[in-house]
Amino acid sequence: DIQMTQSPSSLAASVGDRVTITCRASQSISTSSVRKYLNWYQQKPGKAPKLLIYTASTLQSGVPSRFSGSGSGTEYTLTISTLQPEDFATYYCQQSYSLPLTFGGGTKVEIK
Amino acid sequence: EVQLVESGGGLVQPGGSLRLSCAASGLSFSTYWMSWVRQAPGKGLEWVANIKQDGTETYYLDSVKGRFTISKDNAQNSLYLQMNSLRVEDTAVYYCASYFTIFGVVTKEYFDNWGQGTLVTVSS
Repeated sequence: DIQMTQSPSSLAASVGDRVTITCRASQSISTSSVRKYLNWYQQKPGKAPKLLIYTASTLQSGVPSRFSGSGSGTEYTLTISTLQPEDFATYYCQQSYSLPLTFGGGTKVEIK
Repeated sequence: EVQLVESGGGLVQPGGSLRLSCAASGLSFSTYWMSWVRQAPGKGLEWVANIKQDGTETYYLDSVKGRFTISKDNAQNSLYLQMNSLRVEDTAVYYCASYFTIFGVVTKEYFDNWGQGTLVTVSS
């Protein structure tokens, strides 16, 4: 099974801050520059997860452009360029390279 | 607008059974892989099972294999999860999710729509 490790597990930030979350896979989850099997989700308390980014860097329709993703191989990042009040939530990475599909442990972004 | 609405959760004793349902609307259900993903209280997300568009292929998390069965009825736009021999550790919110897949030069696979979840509590 591919283990997904996120860091940090939580962080406190202020509105307007730049936030970066890292996700590391236990093995490579990309097979080329265009085949990267890493997705990012946002979850608010009591709500279902919401897809933010797929294939490491493609923004899902309707997601604000302040969210961006990058990475390849085993290391990936989610960046929020200018943190907004509605961005306080928990973020999960997920690999779709192989079964079982696995998620990172989550990164909770809290208000400083 | 895509809607996935789960039902069937509740309190069940260890060893018991439960059947979850998910009613889908606003998406071409028969063309989608579908999934169940769960979240134990205060914990992270855990994939449980996938089913192919036509129901001919199914895949499971090892810990539920042989106990859970995923199925879909394309005529009724419905997804199901039959859960038998339930354990305390199966306690979680269970989400129905559509699993978008495109295979080719650029392969894409991700959970693009989620239901609101249904709580399953396994306790004596």
